[in-house]
Amino acid sequence: AQSVTQLGSHVSVSEGALVLLRCNYSSSVPPYLFWYVQYPNQGLQLLLKYTSAATLVKGINGFEAEFKKSETSFHLTKPSAHMSDAAEYFCAVSGGSNYKLTFGKGTLLTVNP
Amino acid sequence: DTAVSQTPKYLVTQMGNDKSIKCEQNLGHDTMYWYKQDSKKFLKIMFSYNNKELIINETVPNRFSPKSPDKAHLNLHINSLELGDSAVYFCASSPPDRGQTGELFFGEGSRLTVL
Repeated sequence: AQSVTQLGSHVSVSEGALVLLRCNYSSSVPPYLFWYVQYPNQGLQLLLKYTSAATLVKGINGFEAEFKKSETSFHLTKPSAHMSDAAEYFCAVSGGSNYKLTFGKGTLLTVNP
Repeated sequence: DTAVSQTPKYLVTQMGNDKSIKCEQNLGHDTMYWYKQDSKKFLKIMFSYNNKELIINETVPNRFSPKSPDKAHLNLHINSLELGDSAVYFCASSPPDRGQTGELFFGEGSRLTVL
């Protein structure tokens, strides 16, 4: 069984500030972890993924995430927020062998000028 | 060219009607999915097909029936629509071997409103 908890349904930051979106997971097998981004009225787009290689993963648009097994966390960060980063962000976990991706409830990121 | 395309993008219909949503992918992927996103943005898998074979069938009412005529298409038919079916339905696909790890390519969604 697997599950994802995203802490904070809404995060608001100023343009240029650090972005930190939190994700904790639960998995009975070594997990694959993902962050997806959904812009308004669009489908989801893969931002980055952890698949048991390097624990610090870099993605598109300057985002990165660090896999911490001891904390069962996979938090998403970006050093400096842009207005274009405003979107809904979903953390997701997969058991790696069952085609089933379990999503968190999403975190809405708003960026203030 | 759109990689995963869904039609229609918007669908407004009355309770009790039957409707279909079509999905096509031109990425050459083997696996396709239907996800439902409710009004609170929660995403849940409904079905998955791998090479036209049903591999995931979550606890979805049997009013929902997927059909995969070939690897590139996965359609969703819904009978006797209910108010609770109102949602955004996303089609997705994944490359060979990457569906198992969860790397999906999503369509833009089909917003269904049942009145």
